[in-house]
Amino acid sequence: GQQLNQSPQSMFIQEGEDVSMNCTSSSIFNTWLWYKQDPGEGPVLLIALYKAGELTSNGRLTAQFGITRKDSFLNISASIPSDVGIYFCAGQSGNTGKLIFGQGTTLQVKP
Amino acid sequence: EAGVAQSPRYKIIEKRQSVAFWCNPISGHATLYWYQQILGQGPKLLIQFQNNGVVDDSQLPKDRFSAERLKGVDSTLKIQPAKLEDSAVYLCASSLVRGRNEQFFGPGTRLTVL
Repeated sequence: GQQLNQSPQSMFIQEGEDVSMNCTSSSIFNTWLWYKQDPGEGPVLLIALYKAGELTSNGRLTAQFGITRKDSFLNISASIPSDVGIYFCAGQSGNTGKLIFGQGTTLQVKP
Repeated sequence: EAGVAQSPRYKIIEKRQSVAFWCNPISGHATLYWYQQILGQGPKLLIQFQNNGVVDDSQLPKDRFSAERLKGVDSTLKIQPAKLEDSAVYLCASSLVRGRNEQFFGPGTRLTVL
């Protein structure tokens, strides 16, 4: 079945640093979504991407839909302690709405 | 606007017992999803409803799991009988339309099977 490879698996950075994470697949997706999940909570939608090559920002977050439609990237600039959490990418192919999730990137920020 | 509501938040049962989870989606959202999230993994879709009809239940273990959305609003997910490997967080999500698929998640129900 379809799988998403998300990397890195975890990151430990200093407050103020920029962060990059990515998601790749052997399959083509027509939608990419990025979520953040805090402990004991459900995933919260950060950014949605619908077109190949699309670059979208949400505050300090920027995400891109890869040209090949097989990858996506999320960047966080000037990280702060509340950025701590698990970041998931999710891809959708077809028109049923089914999302395939990556394994997550755990981000820890040292004040 | 109220988000997706789920209850209970936590449940502990013994294997072979049954359990049910409830979800109330965002008002007006026609599509509802149930996901299973095992510790350390991303959510995995179990079943998707469009109004009160099933769109995709290909990954639902139908010998023990069942779900319904009778009036096209609230939904329940049931496990009977539970196994140890069912220990996970069960997430409910909803979206306005299927095409533009921005799914919004509830807080989840953490199930522990002993």
